[in-house]
Amino acid sequence: QVVLTQSPSASASLGDSVRLTCTLSSGHSNYAIAWHQQQPEKGPRYLMKLESDGSHSKGDGIPDRFSGSSSGAERDLTISSLQSEDEADYYCQTWGSDIVFGGGTKLTVL
Amino acid sequence: EVQLVESGGGLVQPGGSLRLSCAASGFTFSNYWMHWVRQAPGKGLVWVSRINIDGSRTKYADSVMGRFTISRDNAKNTLYLHMKSLRAEDTAVYYCARDGRGDYETYFDYWGQGSLVTVSS
Repeated sequence: QVVLTQSPSASASLGDSVRLTCTLSSGHSNYAIAWHQQQPEKGPRYLMKLESDGSHSKGDGIPDRFSGSSSGAERDLTISSLQSEDEADYYCQTWGSDIVFGGGTKLTVL
Repeated sequence: EVQLVESGGGLVQPGGSLRLSCAASGFTFSNYWMHWVRQAPGKGLVWVSRINIDGSRTKYADSVMGRFTISRDNAKNTLYLHMKSLRAEDTAVYYCARDGRGDYETYFDYWGQGSLVTVSS
């Protein structure tokens, strides 16, 4: 079964950019993933679907500040011009024989 | 505007039962596979169950197999999760989510706001 690995935490300053990485387990580097954002005390929000070739399709109303890229088994979410409301938990998720989530990255905006 | 609104959560004793509902609007509900995902307090997201468009195919996480039943009423645009033999470890916020592809189990493109289920004596 595929496993998704995310760093537990990340931080960056207001106005800066940050890159969050989701790593697919061995043998699954061709998998697409989805990124979801969960702001404090809220339900998750779909950000984008990210393919192995780096192409991505974003959810409704997701700002251009959010972008995705892929390299090998890594699937990155980059957030530019960080705003206070970007402080949230970010989860990657994939599918195949089962639906799997990464452990999530807690992003702190300084 | 797509909306998913869960209801039915609450406090239930171990071994008890509960039924969650998810009212869908803003899209053609009968064209989409649907899912339930849960999140224990302070923990991450965990997929629970999914159902196909007509309810003929369902799938469950091992942790809830045999205790939870997913169903849908396309005439009422409503998704359900029937939970029985509840355990303390089932305590979580339960989210319904729409499948992004629609006709298979893939990713979730819309989520509800969640319904809290607390299993405790």
